[in-house]
Amino acid sequence: DAKTTQPPSMDCAEGRAANLPCNHSTISGNEYVYWYRQIHSQGPQYIIHGLKNNETNEMASLIITEDRKSSTLILPHATLRDTAVYYCIVRVVNAGGTSYGKLTFGQGTILTVHP
Amino acid sequence: KAGVTQTPRYLIKTRGQQVTLSCSPISGHRSVSWYQQTPGQGLQFLFEYFSETQRNKGNFPGRFSGRQFSNSRSEMNVSTLELGDSALYLCASSFRPGAVSNEQFFGPGTRLTVL
Repeated sequence: DAKTTQPPSMDCAEGRAANLPCNHSTISGNEYVYWYRQIHSQGPQYIIHGLKNNETNEMASLIITEDRKSSTLILPHATLRDTAVYYCIVRVVNAGGTSYGKLTFGQGTILTVHP
Repeated sequence: KAGVTQTPRYLIKTRGQQVTLSCSPISGHRSVSWYQQTPGQGLQFLFEYFSETQRNKGNFPGRFSGRQFSNSRSEMNVSTLELGDSALYLCASSFRPGAVSNEQFFGPGTRLTVL
């Protein structure tokens, strides 16, 4: 699995958009980008994933650059409850569309949302 | 729908003992993965089970083992405990490992302390 690089920490004001960057310059064609977050003392929570197109769901948006070497997770209106460690993960999806469950977590970005 | 259940939530053992942790996945989920989380190493993949078969294994010594039952419930066992085994052990379930999304749902974890 390709490695990812994330800033160790970021701050955001409540109500503003939080933009969390991730570099994955060695990503290969069959690797998807996933984002999870972990709120203190809880298990990680899935946020969103994508291959090459931008994705949006009820939690966040994922913007992947055209060369797929980096991506940005956007929380459009951050709240205090979004304070967490955010993990960017790339994971191989095999040609048949199958994948193993293994997630390789890095150190993530500690996002602190301030009032 | 009930989430992933892990028992016990907290455990204290002494060096040399063995421990068994249990995980009940979300109803209908057939894949279970285990992770170890420590302050120094972060989140590390232990192993993944699907249909009672280990499909993938992380880089941990043979003291760490697991199994999955026909009802998809899973257990992991650590024998001859060492101080370094103190960690939060997380279980994650997913519907099946073959799906591209393969969103994994994590349990609250078992906090193991080895004295």
